Amino acid sequence: AQSVAQPEDQVNVAEGNPLTVKCTYSVSGNPYLFWYVQYPNRGLQFLLKYITGDNLVKGSYGFEAEFNKSQTSFHLKKPSALVSDSALYFCAVRGGTSGSARQLTFGSGTQLTVLP
Amino acid sequence: GAGVSQSPSNKVTEKGKDVELRCDPISGHTALYWYRQSLGQGLEFLIYFQGNSAPDKSGLPSDRFSAERTGGSVSTLTIQRTQQEDSAVYLCASSLAQQGSYEQYFGPGTRLTVT
Repeated sequence: AQSVAQPEDQVNVAEGNPLTVKCTYSVSGNPYLFWYVQYPNRGLQFLLKYITGDNLVKGSYGFEAEFNKSQTSFHLKKPSALVSDSALYFCAVRGGTSGSARQLTFGSGTQLTVLP
Repeated sequence: GAGVSQSPSNKVTEKGKDVELRCDPISGHTALYWYRQSLGQGLEFLIYFQGNSAPDKSGLPSDRFSAERTGGSVSTLTIQRTQQEDSAVYLCASSLAQQGSYEQYFGPGTRLTVT
């Protein structure tokens, strides 16, 4: 079975400071990893993905994430936070091997608040 | 281009009634997924359609839930004899499901309230 852990329910950061939202995963075989953002009363918006290749992936709105196989982590980062980044962030995983379930398994979400 | 659309955006129904939720995926996306988002349970997978293959129904919580996808495009999620615990936001997503393009694109959701 695959699973995702987001250990922080809430992350607060000052505007202009770097931000990190943590994610660890468990899956059989190679992982496909994703970050999504959800604004109030909206659906989930795709930010970035890791499928294969470079461990540092870049996505929308200046976000990036680092895949670390040995630590089974995929932390979301941004060098300089904006107030408009305040939202609920979800990490998700699916297996990359043949026969793996195709649906995403999501973490519980981390509420990011960027303080002006 | 147009994203995933869902209707209705909000649905209030009485306990015991049946409801139908609709999803229009992104044109050309062969994979379609239904998820449910609730405060207590987070984001849960319900059902997955891929092309003409038999759907993966492993996430459906009870036999009151069913879904179909007509013509490989529009999907309808039906909940029969609704219960208060069915209250949640129902999210639909679609994907190309091709190598390297596994990300899913979500609709805005249908907020279901069972009174």
